[in-house]
Amino acid sequence: AQSVTQLGSHVSVSEGALVLLRCNYSSSVPPYLFWYVQYPNQGLQLLLKYTSAATLVKGINDFEAEFKKSETSFHLTKPSAHMSDAAEYFCAVKKNYGGSQGNLIFGKGTKLSVKP
Amino acid sequence: KAGVTQTPRYLIKTRGQQVTLSCSPISGHRSVSWYQQTPGQGLQFLFEYFSETQRNKGNFPGRFSGRQFSNSRSEMNVSTLELGDSALYLCASSLDQGLTNTEAFFGQGTRLTVV
Repeated sequence: AQSVTQLGSHVSVSEGALVLLRCNYSSSVPPYLFWYVQYPNQGLQLLLKYTSAATLVKGINDFEAEFKKSETSFHLTKPSAHMSDAAEYFCAVKKNYGGSQGNLIFGKGTKLSVKP
Repeated sequence: KAGVTQTPRYLIKTRGQQVTLSCSPISGHRSVSWYQQTPGQGLQFLFEYFSETQRNKGNFPGRFSGRQFSNSRSEMNVSTLELGDSALYLCASSLDQGLTNTEAFFGQGTRLTVV
């Protein structure tokens, strides 16, 4: 069965510091992976997606993620945190129904706090 | 281009009642999925509709149902509400969730509180 695990339910960084949010996946087939961000009382906004075209994926707002098959990881990074990055981040994998794709399976989320 | 629109944004219902939530997908999108988000269980998939047909279903009781209209708009219904149904219900639309290189776009959600 496919799944994603996000390490750390809360991460706190200082403004200007590196942001690193961890995600590990489990999948017996090539995974399609996503990172979403959710601000309070809002829906989910797509940050970036991995669909096997390139292992280093660049997204919006200077976020990027690297797909590492050997480590089954898809960690999200940003070189310099802004106060506006404070939100909850979700890693997700697209479910595979025997060859066709389906819904998203989400991790539990990581709340990012940014200190001034 | 308008995004995914969910109505209403907030809803308060009493145990035992039923509720209907609405979702208008992005124009041209034929796939609509519904997710339930709670602090304890996180984001869980309810069901997906494509071209008016339910294509996939999550592990939820039969009290949760949905439908999709010919214009791709979708509704989900929860009957005999329980306190545990209090959650943020999110709708996501995509061109076709079944394709590999497509992403889901989410609405702002409907916050349902059952008292």
